[in-house]
Amino acid sequence: DVQMTQSPSTVSASVGDRVTITCRSSLNVNRWVAWYRQRPGEAPKLLIYETSTLHTGVPSRFSGSGSGSEFTLTINNLQPEDFASYYCQQYNFDSYTFGQGTKLEIK
Amino acid sequence: QITLKESGPMLVKPAETLTLTCSFSGFSLNSDGVGVAWFRQPPGEALEWLALIYWNDDKRYSPSVKNSLTISKDTSQNRVVLTMTNMGPVDTGTYYCTHNVLEYASGTSYSDYWGQGTPVTVSS
Repeated sequence: DVQMTQSPSTVSASVGDRVTITCRSSLNVNRWVAWYRQRPGEAPKLLIYETSTLHTGVPSRFSGSGSGSEFTLTINNLQPEDFASYYCQQYNFDSYTFGQGTKLEIK
Repeated sequence: QITLKESGPMLVKPAETLTLTCSFSGFSLNSDGVGVAWFRQPPGEALEWLALIYWNDDKRYSPSVKNSLTISKDTSQNRVVLTMTNMGPVDTGTYYCTHNVLEYASGTSYSDYWGQGTPVTVSS
């Protein structure tokens, strides 16, 4: 089964900073990767699908890139609401596996 | 506006069957390319996909729990039901349903709207 590995597991940053999260897949997942943000006690929310397409209403400070087996999520100009957990997910295979998550903390 | 809401028991005993209902609005499960999926998240852990049903009644299941799951839809009532048999303590967590969009190029889908989740504890 395809594994998704995120790094780092935790990252500390300040409001206004830029952060990059990486996700690597154990198999080629083409461009079928999504990114979600999950605030404590809330459901995940879709940020990006198909590697780099922003979901409706998602601010342009979020961007995604990559292909094959390495993908990145970049958040520019961090806002207070961005301090949360982030998950990548592959949907190339019918296992829909997620990374283990990256917690973005306030420095 | 697409909304989904999960409902079901908060507490089940080991070996019992869990039945969860996803009630949705703002879309039809008769529309081409639309699906509803179920996920779960143990406390403090990552997300796990469980099952998915499409508008054409195509059903997909996670290989790790396939033998214990059944997903079905009632399009007239805008509901999707997930049953999970032989529940155990490892099945404790928050269960989410989602609206899915089929990517025809891959034959798979992504989840663009999520319900608020419903907590389930498995304990005697």
